[in-house]
Amino acid sequence: GQNIDQPTEMTATEGAIVQINCTYQTSGFNGLFWYQQHAGEAPTFLSYNVLDGLEEKGRFSSFLSRSKGYSYLLLKELQMKDSASYLCAVKRSGGSYIPTFGRGTSLIVHP
Amino acid sequence: DVKVTQSSRYLVKRTGEKVFLECVQDMDHENMFWYRQDPGLGLRLIYFSYDVKMKEKGDIPEGYSVSREKKERFSLILESASTNQTSMYLCASSIGGSSYEQYFGPGTRLTVT
Repeated sequence: GQNIDQPTEMTATEGAIVQINCTYQTSGFNGLFWYQQHAGEAPTFLSYNVLDGLEEKGRFSSFLSRSKGYSYLLLKELQMKDSASYLCAVKRSGGSYIPTFGRGTSLIVHP
Repeated sequence: DVKVTQSSRYLVKRTGEKVFLECVQDMDHENMFWYRQDPGLGLRLIYFSYDVKMKEKGDIPEGYSVSREKKERFSLILESASTNQTSMYLCASSIGGSSYEQYFGPGTRLTVT
């Protein structure tokens, strides 16, 4: 089975740094995705981790520890436009690409 | 740019009606997916397809069926709509293979009364 946990909601201040955690328990882990979804819009891809370590992409970084079943998304120099839901998705085992999504973390950035 | 389009942004149907939700992608992607998104429950997979005429059940297929007659088009069918199928429906596509991200359509907000 698959179990993915994320905090429901987080708040942060413009210009700050925020870390959104995702823990998972899956059979046969094969990669983890992070997506951003603004209210009323479609999710858009942010990052993909399959090996342990930190992947940096501009203001956003994503970290993975496979042994701990843990990932985080790090957002630096927060901007108001970063207010959105952040979805963690784990690729299931097996040959087909079927991601399981967590319930998402709603991030509110205030001035 | 990859584009995934859905036939309607908003749809209101009556209980018992047959409902068709259409999704089209323009990037020749092998994989296509249908999700529903509900507050507090996140994205849940209804059905997916990895090739024309191929389909696989996701986590919550009951009450739904799908059709993929052409590579670019993936349809979700509610045979007899019920009020508990009121939801946001999102279509997605991806290149075949394990490491490729999904591209999502704008969603269809379906209300069943």
